[in-house]
Amino acid sequence: AQKITQTQPGMFVQEKEAVTLDCTYDTSDQSYGLFWYKQPSSGEMIFLIYQGSYDEQNATEGRYSLNFQKARKSANLVISASQLGDSAMYFCAMRDTFSGGYNKLIFGAGTRLAVHP
Amino acid sequence: DTEVTQTPKHLVMGMTNKKSLKCEQHMGHRAMYWYKQKAKKPPELMFVYSYEKLSINESVPSRFSPECPNSSLLNLHLHALQPEDSALYLCASSQDTGGFDEKLFFGSGTQLSVL
Repeated sequence: AQKITQTQPGMFVQEKEAVTLDCTYDTSDQSYGLFWYKQPSSGEMIFLIYQGSYDEQNATEGRYSLNFQKARKSANLVISASQLGDSAMYFCAMRDTFSGGYNKLIFGAGTRLAVHP
Repeated sequence: DTEVTQTPKHLVMGMTNKKSLKCEQHMGHRAMYWYKQKAKKPPELMFVYSYEKLSINESVPSRFSPECPNSSLLNLHLHALQPEDSALYLCASSQDTGGFDEKLFFGSGTQLSVL
């Protein structure tokens, strides 16, 4: 089964600076995808960015980008020009393909990001 | 604004009560999910409905009873819960293409407290 590891329980960043949130994964599949979700204190899980294993370029969505290193099995989220509204919990996730083909999304432990003014 | 709507946002119930959580989506998605999230933990899958049929039950106790009346609605019926069931309950939906790139859309959740 797949496994997601996020080793940073908490991170601090100064407003307007960039920050990298780490994510490593373990899978024996050749085709897979990595997701990042943001969870503010309101509780909603907000999709941020997706990276497919066969994508030739690192994914980017506005201020979010993925530093995808397939050989190292890492998919780190980079947030540029941090804003106070970026303070939230961030989860890395991927599908568990051992679930009979159904959409079981598994999450890492998460990283809590605090943006300071 | 989220396109997955959950009600109520907060619920306090006693261990002998019966209550229901509701979830609605109008994106034409055919898969719907219930996740449970304890404080400072990642969400954990409870149930998956695919085309209105229960496809995954992650060994959830019978005091939680899911229901999918139609492709847009998902309910979670609660009965005789325990204090340890207090958590954030998240509903999600997806297109159900079966692809590994399939994205889940989540609601804002129901914060449940069992007294």
